[in-house]
Amino acid sequence: AQTVTQSQPEMSVQEAETVTLSCTYDTSESDYYLFWYKQPPSRQMILVIRQEAYKQQNATENRFSVNFQKAAKSFSLKISDSQLGDAAMYFCAYRSWNSGNTPLVFGKGTRLSVIA
Amino acid sequence: GAGVSQSPSNKVTEKGKDVELRCDPISGHTALYWYRQSLGQGLEFLIYFQGNSAPDKSGLPSDRFSAERTGGSVSTLTIQRTQQEDSAVYLCASSPSPGQGMRPQHFGDGTRLSIL
Repeated sequence: AQTVTQSQPEMSVQEAETVTLSCTYDTSESDYYLFWYKQPPSRQMILVIRQEAYKQQNATENRFSVNFQKAAKSFSLKISDSQLGDAAMYFCAYRSWNSGNTPLVFGKGTRLSVIA
Repeated sequence: GAGVSQSPSNKVTEKGKDVELRCDPISGHTALYWYRQSLGQGLEFLIYFQGNSAPDKSGLPSDRFSAERTGGSVSTLTIQRTQQEDSAVYLCASSPSPGQGMRPQHFGDGTRLSIL
């Protein structure tokens, strides 16, 4: 079974600075998807960024980018120019490559605080 | 609405009572998932529906938990004889049909269940 580990329960960053959230995973599969979700106090899980394992190029979405190291099974999230609205729980998630749909496997999350 | 809708938003009930949680997925999404988020934990997969196929119930923690999906749309998660350890946020997600790329899951706002 796959597992996802987020080793930082809490992180903080000054507004306008850059922060990196760590995620490692364990799998025997060669093809899969990786995701970062954001959960503000409203509880809704918001997709931040996604990566297909077969792509070597790191995904980027505006201020959010990932450092995907397949051999190391690492998938960190970098937030540049941090804003107060970035404060939330961040979850790393794994999904098997499958012709159908499969559930996500989540890490326990990292709570990010943004300091004005 | 355009998103995944869950009701009720909050539910408080006494230990031993039965509860029903509802999820209305995004129109046209064939896959529907239930997850549970206990305090300080990541999301734990409960059950997954894909079209008319038999659901994947491998994540249900006990036989007190069940779910159904009527007409391939709305789903109800039922917890019988609730226990205090059932207190959590229950999140529902849906995703498009297989064969449509990465098929990210879209989440509702969840139901916060509190067992007294």
